Amino acid sequence: DTEVTQTPKHLVMGMTNKKSLKCEQHMGHRAMYWYKQKAKKPPELMFVYSYEKLSINESVPSRFSPECPNSSLLNLHLHALQPEDSALYLCASSQDRNTDTQYFGPGTRLTVL
Amino acid sequence: GESVGLHLPTLSVQEGDNSIINCAYSNSASDYFIWYKQESGKGPQFIIDIRSNMDKRQGQRVTVLLNKTVKHLSLQIAATQPGDSAVYFCAENMGGGGNKLTFGTGTQLKVEL
Repeated sequence: DTEVTQTPKHLVMGMTNKKSLKCEQHMGHRAMYWYKQKAKKPPELMFVYSYEKLSINESVPSRFSPECPNSSLLNLHLHALQPEDSALYLCASSQDRNTDTQYFGPGTRLTVL
Repeated sequence: GESVGLHLPTLSVQEGDNSIINCAYSNSASDYFIWYKQESGKGPQFIIDIRSNMDKRQGQRVTVLLNKTVKHLSLQIAATQPGDSAVYFCAENMGGGGNKLTFGTGTQLKVEL
């Protein structure tokens, strides 16, 4: 089973709202990732968590706040977003930070009004 | 049918023909490469991978070729089917720890009946 689940599938929010995206995997993977994907563009890495600790932040604005409550869950908290933050947000996981194959979830389609 | 990836973002092939999707990668130190398939509204799906100590790897109906001399990667799909229609991304792991993947720009494969 190589399933990564993400909720919600779609999210519409205003620029003053606070919302969260959720990602879950039950493959025993110890590395989890957040990517952002704009239309017709490749995914771009945002954050990497390894063993529940943030190991990479690709200079992401502070209005995006990741959290890894346990080895199966990854959240992305959103606050004061801009319309240009509208995108598909993808979560991925891999066995560990040094194992290369990343498995992706279906994504959350975010629209910021 | 054949594409040069970065220069021809759309590849149209007839059902039953073989497809070749090309990708030029940037870092000669990259040691791991992955091909992902992304259907509309879905997350990237792992297809096949290859390490830098190999020049060819075969899967079910797919073959990946790696030419490190010219930093070129290709994905060959045999007997292309309508279900193969999607955007195909190559990704390279540029090493240095952290399992950071850098994706190519993607190629849209369209299968004509």
